[in-house]
Amino acid sequence: AQKITQTQPGMFVQEKEAVTLDCTYDTSDPSYGLFWYKQPSSGEMIFLIYQGSYDQQNATEGRYSLNFQKARKSANLVISASQLGDSAMYFCAMREGHRGANSKLTFGKGITLSVRP
Amino acid sequence: EAGVTQFPSHSVIEKGQTVTLRCDPISGHDNLYWYRRVMGKEIKFLLHFVKESKQDESGMPNNRFLAERTGGTYSTLKVQPAELEDSGVYFCASSQAGGPSGANVLTFGAGSRLTVL
Repeated sequence: AQKITQTQPGMFVQEKEAVTLDCTYDTSDPSYGLFWYKQPSSGEMIFLIYQGSYDQQNATEGRYSLNFQKARKSANLVISASQLGDSAMYFCAMREGHRGANSKLTFGKGITLSVRP
Repeated sequence: EAGVTQFPSHSVIEKGQTVTLRCDPISGHDNLYWYRRVMGKEIKFLLHFVKESKQDESGMPNNRFLAERTGGTYSTLKVQPAELEDSGVYFCASSQAGGPSGANVLTFGAGSRLTVL
């Protein structure tokens, strides 16, 4: 079974509007971490935001916030006030194990976001 | 600080040839990871070094792949002999143990694109 599911094949958003990128996950480990990475056309993977399974509040980093719904096993990324530079592929990933563990990340297939001027 | 550097950025070889990919992690990062993304599929874990030791090599596809990290600094990933299905983008990532937030955030390089003809 897939551990990270990103089903939206491609998303479009108007500049300055907000957009939500979906991610659902599957794990039986009570301790895990969820990550979002951005991959622009230049190829590098840029870390955006992290949410730990025991974190009480949803993570926020500038224009990025993570809508963490533990019971639904979803960790959707919300980008507010979209900018043209947000056009990229976005990957959701999970690490199982305690915070700080050095174990591997499991990635979803990614979602392509295009921001329209 | 300098990021994770990968070389070459793109390599085109014929089936049966050998290719060596190199990764220079962020200075001081003990953890070094290799991942691979085959076209249209998820980014898959290959292996994880802690300093010069292989911590987890469960993702290595077969014995045609050899990864080394002599001295615990840069790492190489050799594919010998290359097959058509080896084509994809090979990502290297590094992290500090635990990291400042305890989340062990991986910093990725831009990837090495391998095309096997």
